[in-house]
Amino acid sequence: GAVVSQHPSRVICKSGTSVKIECRSLDFQATTMFWYRQFPKQSLMLMATSNEGSKATYEQGVEKDKFLINHASLTLSTLTVTSAHPEDSSFYICSANSANQPQHFGDGTRLSIL
Amino acid sequence: GENVEQHPSTLSVQEGDSAVIKCTYSDSASNYFPWYKQELGKGPQLIIDIRSNVGEKKDQRIAVTLNKTAKHFSLHITETQPEDSAVYFCAAIYTGTASKLTFGTGTRLQVTL
Repeated sequence: GAVVSQHPSRVICKSGTSVKIECRSLDFQATTMFWYRQFPKQSLMLMATSNEGSKATYEQGVEKDKFLINHASLTLSTLTVTSAHPEDSSFYICSANSANQPQHFGDGTRLSIL
Repeated sequence: GENVEQHPSTLSVQEGDSAVIKCTYSDSASNYFPWYKQELGKGPQLIIDIRSNVGEKKDQRIAVTLNKTAKHFSLHITETQPEDSAVYFCAAIYTGTASKLTFGTGTRLQVTL
């Protein structure tokens, strides 16, 4: 089946650091990639939707200057958490789809800001 | 916008028994309903999906039913095994536009020996 790879799986860093998370669709070209945030024991919260070569569309309440999204190719999107603080600690998950593929998710990145 | 409700929030069954998780949606235009299984520390994995032109779909021990009139859809797992223990999410979307998946709140399934 379709595979979405997310890297790194875990990050622990100091407050003020910027962290980049990569999301790759391994066996299909993803027209759209999505970034979610998930708090413990809760559902997935959509942060932003990105299409290759265009600016991401952010959900209400998500700071676009805080969470920078780049979708440079049909197989790669990146999320950069800028100047991360402890409240940004969370589980971040990407997903990807195309006209021929339903939405498939990566295995998530657990971000811990000290 | 779409609103998806999911019940129950937790479900405990004995190994070998069946498990049923139910979801309702609000937007009659929604036409695609995937189910995801999320194991601890991992991302959601698509396990089965159904489109609005079909009433039922089965894949081995997993089946999904859809009642468009009532705007209900359900996941059925038969002969449950300990490895079925996970959080299950239903979702709904209208695929005709650049819409977003709307997720249910999740069901934590525990299969006991």
